[in-house]
Amino acid sequence: DQQVKQNSPSLSVQEGRISILNCDYTNSMFDYFLWYKKYPAEGPTFLISISSIKDKNEDGRFTVFLNKSAKHLSLHIVPSQPGDSAVYFCAASNAGGTSYGKLTFGQGTILTVHP
Amino acid sequence: DSGVTQTPKHLITATGQRVTLRCSPRSGDLSVYWYQQSLDQGLQFLIQYYNGEERAKGNILERFSAQQFPDLHSELNLSSLELGDSALYFCASSARPGVTGYGNTIYFGEGSWLTVV
Repeated sequence: DQQVKQNSPSLSVQEGRISILNCDYTNSMFDYFLWYKKYPAEGPTFLISISSIKDKNEDGRFTVFLNKSAKHLSLHIVPSQPGDSAVYFCAASNAGGTSYGKLTFGQGTILTVHP
Repeated sequence: DSGVTQTPKHLITATGQRVTLRCSPRSGDLSVYWYQQSLDQGLQFLIQYYNGEERAKGNILERFSAQQFPDLHSELNLSSLELGDSALYFCASSARPGVTGYGNTIYFGEGSWLTVV
């Protein structure tokens, strides 16, 4: 049962344009959401997060939007740079529950930013 | 470099064998997590320890076990290995047993590639 889904396996974007990565979840107990970035031969690196009490969080070129009613979140990267090319994972957690550190990950989206 | 160290980086072993994966968390981090990334299952949470005690458990098989030692390093033991256990095993650490963002980022190591033949 895939509780966190990233339906787009890959996304290709031109440098300078906006990249939008999408994520859907099914578990209504999730109340904290994160995006991780992963380069080949490296572990996932934390990018940005959002609590369910917010609908937007911004950090530099990265913005995460949360639509609780639709159980959907998205990561916007503006402007996209070739160095952003990586696999992006959406993750969710029930921060208010007992599984504090357990993250449920999506399958990942491969982002390619062309110069 | 996340500061989380995993050994070995690569391991090839035969079915039925037992292996131990080792993880040294970032200096000062008390919580350690193990994740498995396989081609068909993605990144799956296995188990979490905090200051030597088990804190949360995921879909970890009974053939797998883990522990966190007094010096805070952790080991993941995989026994009676099957072909399907071939995967990338990540260790991660954080200062507290919470979730990233509440001032408690979870840092991942580079992973240990296990190939069972």
